[in-house]
Amino acid sequence: DSGVTQTPKHLITATGQRVTLRCSPRSGDLSVYWYQQSLDQGLQFLIQYYNGEERAKGNILERFSAQQFPDLHSELNLSSLELGDSALYFCASSVGLSGNTIYFGEGSWLTVV
Amino acid sequence: AQSVTQPDIHITVSEGASLELRCNYSYGATPYLFWYVQSPGQGLQLLLKYFSGDTLVQGIKGFEAEFKRSQSSFNLRKPSVHWSDAAEYFCAVGAGGSQGNLIFGKGTKLSVKP
Repeated sequence: DSGVTQTPKHLITATGQRVTLRCSPRSGDLSVYWYQQSLDQGLQFLIQYYNGEERAKGNILERFSAQQFPDLHSELNLSSLELGDSALYFCASSVGLSGNTIYFGEGSWLTVV
Repeated sequence: AQSVTQPDIHITVSEGASLELRCNYSYGATPYLFWYVQSPGQGLQLLLKYFSGDTLVQGIKGFEAEFKRSQSSFNLRKPSVHWSDAAEYFCAVGAGGSQGNLIFGKGTKLSVKP
């Protein structure tokens, strides 16, 4: 158990819908990361937050957004969902901004039908 | 730009045989390097990491990796593979600077023959 908690574990939704994935980082970790894992793209970095502020952006679509709350939990919002958004979405956390070990949650499986 | 290459998509080894998974990276400075393992339907578990110092690092489950700057490589090894090691293995490099995110390779799937 990495200490990173993600909910829901599985989610099935229809195209055009909006979903929210939730993440609680390890106790004491200030950085939260979101990754997408799909068969064709592999593991892609989406976005990083540190202590409530966005710090780095990767290949995140404009239809996707994230935020980190004062209690340090984070949410990833996916809207206008398309079939190609079906993937495993990982949240990860680390103590600091960079140069730290990053611990991953077990992921949220999103299936868009 | 940083990148990670894992040249082997799929490797099959016999139980008890030795294992080496290859990883090459492209990075302008001294990298932070990681190996993660993902069992089917599971999350990513950290096996080991290299930040600095001794270039041979020991990890969990009997794995080790060696950082070779001259070859831009960070290969993962295990002297004797167990059936439970069957999984997908990912090499990653830290993006560095003010960004902590990792750049991952495409992964190597390991199958273990009895």
